[in-house]
Amino acid sequence: DQQVKQNSPSLSVQEGRISILNCDYTNSMFDYFLWYKKYPAEGPTFLISISSIKDKNEDGRFTVFLNKSAKHLSLHIVPSQPGDSAVYFCAASEDKLVFGAGTILRVKS
Amino acid sequence: DTGVSQDPRHKITKRGQNVTFRCDPISEHNRLYWYRQTLGQGPEFLTYFQNEAQLEKSRLLSDRFSAERPKGSFSTLEIQRTEQGDSAMYLCASSLPFGSSSGANVLTFGAGSRLTVL
Repeated sequence: DQQVKQNSPSLSVQEGRISILNCDYTNSMFDYFLWYKKYPAEGPTFLISISSIKDKNEDGRFTVFLNKSAKHLSLHIVPSQPGDSAVYFCAASEDKLVFGAGTILRVKS
Repeated sequence: DTGVSQDPRHKITKRGQNVTFRCDPISEHNRLYWYRQTLGQGPEFLTYFQNEAQLEKSRLLSDRFSAERPKGSFSTLEIQRTEQGDSAMYLCASSLPFGSSSGANVLTFGAGSRLTVL
């Protein structure tokens, strides 16, 4: 059973524009949601998180929005830069993290 | 502290052989996690430790897999009688003690150990 789903395998965006990555979950007991970024041959690195009692968290160019009623969250990157090209994983927190399958973001210059 | 270290980075083995991976977590982190990642998928939880105690194992984890963390510091993941389906990236992560911060339980990952079973 996939508790965390990222339905878009890939996304291509022009440099300077907004990137929006989406994530859906099924378990309403998750207390935090996190986004990780992964470059080839490296482990995932933490990007930003949001508590289940919040609806928005912002850190520089990165903003995460949470819609609890829809069990949906999204990561906005503005403005997108070529160095943002990577795989982005959505994760939900119990004692451990449950990950989605990831979305490959390609930012074109 | 140099972060989470994993060794070896790459391992090629023949089907039926045993392999062992080692993970050295960040020193002040008492929680250690093992995940497996295959192509096109996200990291899949295998097991985790708090200090030397193994607190949870995935029910999908075969009996051929065993993990230890004997002194609450480094950990090993052993796969016995490897199969081609075991080919994957094995990721280790560590985190601060539960409840040490008011925020999310952020896992810091190592670069992974890639296993290829021929």
